[in-house]
Amino acid sequence: DVKVTQSSRYLVKRTGEKVFLECVQDMDHENMFWYRQDPGLGLRLIYFSYDVKMKEKGDIPEGYSVSREKKERFSLILESASTNQTSMYLCASSFKNRGALRSGYTFGSGTRLTVV
Amino acid sequence: GESVGLHLPTLSVQEGDNSIINCAYSNSASDYFIWYKQESGKGPQFIIDIRSNMDKRQGQRVTVLLNKTVKHLSLQIAATQPGDSAVYFCAGGWDNQFYFGTGTSLTVIP
Repeated sequence: DVKVTQSSRYLVKRTGEKVFLECVQDMDHENMFWYRQDPGLGLRLIYFSYDVKMKEKGDIPEGYSVSREKKERFSLILESASTNQTSMYLCASSFKNRGALRSGYTFGSGTRLTVV
Repeated sequence: GESVGLHLPTLSVQEGDNSIINCAYSNSASDYFIWYKQESGKGPQFIIDIRSNMDKRQGQRVTVLLNKTVKHLSLQIAATQPGDSAVYFCAGGWDNQFYFGTGTSLTVIP
């Protein structure tokens, strides 16, 4: 069964800590994404990557960075965690669309991060 | 910019009835749409998709309708079951990126 795996389901971190969220996919997808999901705000794109070592800012990149050293792994880094980064974080991946070919995203189960 | 939204944040239906969840989008460049289901504590799961050259697509108990004229799509669930209780949201986009609505929480009443 193909999947996107996020390393932790629940995390509790202290303000100021550096936090790493890991995501691994086994579908040989080129594209990978990090979203945060908050009540009433839906999914907001933090960063995405179309290829190894490539990264693009999404809508809310402030306070975050990413790393994609291997095709199957996309890491989200909170440089100095703050309480307003308490959220559900979702990783997703997809094939790179070419021409009329289309594919949707496959999501991980999410990491619920609480910053205290 | 692009926006994708849903009409109602919550919807309650009786078990066995049909459910209709609506979604509107703003950018006519969107050419591919997906409906996702998200159960509590889980990531979103793909339900059904539709391309902009289609008006209707059917799956198992689900139908998606696309009206490009008014930039609207809907998800119909036939004979709604308790296991259908979840948050449903649409996504629309083009090229390699999608924009997501905020979701409708569907509650099925036994």
